[in-house]
Amino acid sequence: AQSVTQPDIHITVSEGASLELRCNYSYGATPYLFWYVQSPGQGLQLLLKYFSGDTLVQGIKGFEAEFKRSQSSFNLRKPSVHWSDAAEYFCAVGGRTDSWGKFQFGAGTQVVVTP
Amino acid sequence: GAGVSQSPRYKVAKRGQDVALRCDPISGHVSLFWYQQALGQGPEFLTYFQNEAQLDKSGLPSDRFFAERPEGSVSTLKIQRTQQEDSAVYLCASSLAGTGAPLVDTFGSGTRLTVV
Repeated sequence: AQSVTQPDIHITVSEGASLELRCNYSYGATPYLFWYVQSPGQGLQLLLKYFSGDTLVQGIKGFEAEFKRSQSSFNLRKPSVHWSDAAEYFCAVGGRTDSWGKFQFGAGTQVVVTP
Repeated sequence: GAGVSQSPRYKVAKRGQDVALRCDPISGHVSLFWYQQALGQGPEFLTYFQNEAQLDKSGLPSDRFFAERPEGSVSTLKIQRTQQEDSAVYLCASSLAGTGAPLVDTFGSGTRLTVV
């Protein structure tokens, strides 16, 4: 069965500093990989996705993520965080043999940005 | 509308009461999904429609949960005889695509259900 682990429940980062959020997955083949952001009281917004090809993917809001097959990881990064990046971030996996849109989400990482 | 609309935003139900949660997807979106998000957790898949066809309902927790999308647009998630463990935010999402690489790209703000 596929699974997603986000090891960090909570991260505090200073405004202007870099941010890296970890995501590890367990799946028999290369899955589809996604990162979403959720602000309080809001739905999830898709930041970026990986289907195939270049393992470094660019997303919205200045985020990027790198797929590393050998480490079963898909970590999210941003070089310089803004106060508006404070939110909860979810990594998700879609299986190539599962039904379309049946994603497995991680438990999320809460990001706090300090001045 | 511009996005996925869900109603009501908040629902308080007494244990044993039936509830109906509505989702208005983006016009023309083929695929529609329901996810359940418990407090402090990531969303959990409930069910998926492609047009009016319910292609996967494997995530529905029990036979008290029922979803429909009769005309391939608006969808309703119904929960019968609600129990406290049903308290969660119910998220609806839609996607223009329905084939190829999966993409769940537009979520609504959710309905927060509290069962007392």
